[in-house]
Amino acid sequence: DSGVTQTPKHLITATGQRVTLRCSPRSGDLSVYWYQQSLDQGLQFLIHYYNGEERAKGNILERFSAQQFPDLHSELNLSSLELGDSALYFCASSATGQTSYNEQFFGPGTRLTVL
Amino acid sequence: GNSVTQMEGPVTLSEEAFLTINCTYTATGYPSLFWYVQYPGEGLQLLLKATKADDKGSNKGFEATYRKETTSFHLEKGSVQVSDSAVYFCALLSGSARQLTFGSGTQLTVLP
Repeated sequence: DSGVTQTPKHLITATGQRVTLRCSPRSGDLSVYWYQQSLDQGLQFLIHYYNGEERAKGNILERFSAQQFPDLHSELNLSSLELGDSALYFCASSATGQTSYNEQFFGPGTRLTVL
Repeated sequence: GNSVTQMEGPVTLSEEAFLTINCTYTATGYPSLFWYVQYPGEGLQLLLKATKADDKGSNKGFEATYRKETTSFHLEKGSVQVSDSAVYFCALLSGSARQLTFGSGTQLTVLP
């Protein structure tokens, strides 16, 4: 158990809908990262938050957004869903995100299926 | 930009066989290198890491050496077990970027 929790574990929805994925980092970790794992694109970085502020963006679509709240949990919002958004979404956390290396601990993921 | 190229899978081995999964990278500066493992239905777990050239990361019988001259970080294990069946990802962290760049993953199946 990494100490990172993600809810829900599975999510099935229809095209055009909006969903919210939730992540609670390990106790004391200030950085949260979101990654998408799909069959065609592999594991891709989406976005990084540090202590409530956005720090880096990767291959995140404009239909997707995220935020980190004062209690450090994070939410990833996916809207106008398309079939191609079906994937496993991982959240990871690390201690500070400020040094050149900080181990990232991954949650179990949320499997999103868009029908 | 940064990139990681991993040996194509899937790889199928018999128990106690020797394992090598190749990984090469392209990065600016001096990256930190990682191997993550994903067991069926689970998230990613850090298997081992190396943060500078010539470092050897090791864990659970797995080893990988950071080779700057060949920009490689190959994963090896002398004797695999059925319980090692999983997907293995090579990854790097470089410069000011805080995010991991992953390879495509290698599915390993170990048969009894």
